[in-house]
Amino acid sequence: QVQLVQSGAEVKKPGSSVKVSCKASGDTFSRYAIGWVRQAPGQGLEWMGGVIPFFDTANYAPKFQDRVSITADESTSTAYMQLSSLRSEDTAVYYCATFYRNLFESWGQGTLVTVSS
Amino acid sequence: DIQMTQSPSSVSASVGDRVTITCRASQDIGSWLVWYQQKPGKVPKLLVYSTSILQSGVPSRFSGSGSGTDFTLTISSLQPEDFATYFCQQSNSFPWTFGQGTKVEIK
Repeated sequence: QVQLVQSGAEVKKPGSSVKVSCKASGDTFSRYAIGWVRQAPGQGLEWMGGVIPFFDTANYAPKFQDRVSITADESTSTAYMQLSSLRSEDTAVYYCATFYRNLFESWGQGTLVTVSS
Repeated sequence: DIQMTQSPSSVSASVGDRVTITCRASQDIGSWLVWYQQKPGKVPKLLVYSTSILQSGVPSRFSGSGSGTDFTLTISSLQPEDFATYFCQQSNSFPWTFGQGTKVEIK
């Protein structure tokens, strides 16, 4: 089974961008789609989008369509999520997870992104 | 988007109790319903998929049922390690959406 390890916590200013990485090990990276889900403090889960590394194709939740970019690098078995035009409401833990059969099976440890002036 | 509504938002129960959590979809999703468990400060864990199929390693005291728009997750005999927040997710259609969560607390 694949293991996902994410990059460390970030503190960002409003209006800036953040890029979070998600490195896979333990199985063939290209076998999986990778989804990104965020969780604001004390709140529920929110799907942002995902990527199929083998095809390097991504899709996005309409809410984030204009601000998010999700990519994958098969050579390093790493997926990336970049969110731009950050605002305080984007403060959250961002998770990557393997996406198969339309569900999220193996999760990264999460990356806390804090947006504050 | 399909809206997922869970009830109750929290429940207080004792070890050994039977606990039932409900998830309602805003439109028919067939059997495309998933449940996750999240303990405080931890990563969500896949529990049940396709409404009633337990993920490998999940204890048999967990069960899921329902179809269409109404679904339930039942814990037949609550154990100390089951105190957590539970989320449903519809896996029927894009964009994938989650319920707001149900927190199972110690009574």
